[in-house]
Amino acid sequence: AQKITQTQPGMFVQEKEAVTLDCTYDTSDQSYGLFWYKQPSSGEMIFLIYQGSYDEQNATEGRYSLNFQKARKSANLVISASQLGDSAMYFCAMRETGEGAQKLVFGQGTRLTINP
Amino acid sequence: NAGVTQTPKFRVLKTGQSMTLLCAQDMNHEYMYWYRQDPGMGLRLIHYSVGEGTTAKGEVPDGYNVSRLKKQNFLLGLESAAPSQTSVYFCASLRGLGQRAGTDTQYFGPGTRLTVL
Repeated sequence: AQKITQTQPGMFVQEKEAVTLDCTYDTSDQSYGLFWYKQPSSGEMIFLIYQGSYDEQNATEGRYSLNFQKARKSANLVISASQLGDSAMYFCAMRETGEGAQKLVFGQGTRLTINP
Repeated sequence: NAGVTQTPKFRVLKTGQSMTLLCAQDMNHEYMYWYRQDPGMGLRLIHYSVGEGTTAKGEVPDGYNVSRLKKQNFLLGLESAAPSQTSVYFCASLRGLGQRAGTDTQYFGPGTRLTVL
């Protein structure tokens, strides 16, 4: 079974600093996808960034980048120049493709707090 | 385009009562999912559907039933609510058929906060 591990329950960062949120995964599949979602205090799930297992370059989306180290099975999210609005829960997820259903398996999340 | 909507947003039940949560999507997506999120936890898959008329069990299906009679709707039922089912319930949809898995992400609804007393 696939598993996602986020080892940082909470992180505190000064505004404008860069922050790295850790995510490791476990799978025997050769083809898989990794996602990061943001969940602000309002509760909705916001898609941030995606990395495919065969993608040769690390994914980037604006201030978000994904540090993908396939051999180490890690997919860390890097947020550059953090802002107060980045304070939220962040979830790493892996796509399971068994039975063609493309299900997501989530980690437990990291609560990020940006201090002014 | 409303995306994914969920009804109701909040609900309080007494132990043993039943209820149905409605999820609707207007994006013509094939796949739909129900997740639950407990405090301090990530989302866990309850049931999912890969098309109209089909449903399948996810990681935590016990105590729930689902139906997908119409492509745009996915219903989650609690036949006899228990306090352990107090949670936030999220519905999601995905385009599914006819496209590479690739970068497609699941689109999430706003969630339903359910409390069972």
